[in-house]
Amino acid sequence: GAGVSQTPSNKVTEKGKYVELRCDPISGHTALYWYRQSLGQGPEFLIYFQGTGAADDSGLPNDRFFAVRPEGSVSTLKIQRTERGDSAVYLCASSFTEAGELFFGEGSRLTVL
Amino acid sequence: GNSVTQMEGPVTLSEEAFLTINCTYTATGYPSLFWYVQYPGEGLQLLLKATKADDKGSNKGFEATYRKETTSFHLEKGSVQVSDSAVYFCALSDRGSQGNLIFGKGTKLSVKP
Repeated sequence: GAGVSQTPSNKVTEKGKYVELRCDPISGHTALYWYRQSLGQGPEFLIYFQGTGAADDSGLPNDRFFAVRPEGSVSTLKIQRTERGDSAVYLCASSFTEAGELFFGEGSRLTVL
Repeated sequence: GNSVTQMEGPVTLSEEAFLTINCTYTATGYPSLFWYVQYPGEGLQLLLKATKADDKGSNKGFEATYRKETTSFHLEKGSVQVSDSAVYFCALSDRGSQGNLIFGKGTKLSVKP
């Protein structure tokens, strides 16, 4: 499709497990962003990629969270040793340039039991 | 630090009623201001934006004016429709990138026929 695609749409895991969430941005978009939205809250910035490199990772909450974008397109958000507090909807967005409009995916809902 | 405060919902209106959703912000410098909308089952979409004081953003009958003196960016629409039912988020960016956004908690709007 033409929009930002995120998989899986839903993920249920157990505390302590490892999780990967994938984002496929709009073709040609150089900037890619990850946000986290907890229940009843607005999205919170996690990390931003320009091309392959993380230009700003100031929003990652701790070293259990890591994201990669090895070829400057698809990105994977990786969460180690998941905790119940990691339960949230993880949103990905992309834009044509750093200053351009963001286009969001529908999100991956993570539930940690 | 920078923050966004928006009126809590849910807001329930009848069709053709006037809508105001209040948003105020705290920021250093001169942020850009945004309203995003999330329709049921869809990803966040940019509704409108304003990049400097006294600018008015408008789209789909919605308007918001960047008021530096009151640090506000209230969303208004003169006559809402059932199709406007959604969650509305106010956001700011204090950097050149539109991507590192600080969001409010969101306001759910329900419009009844």
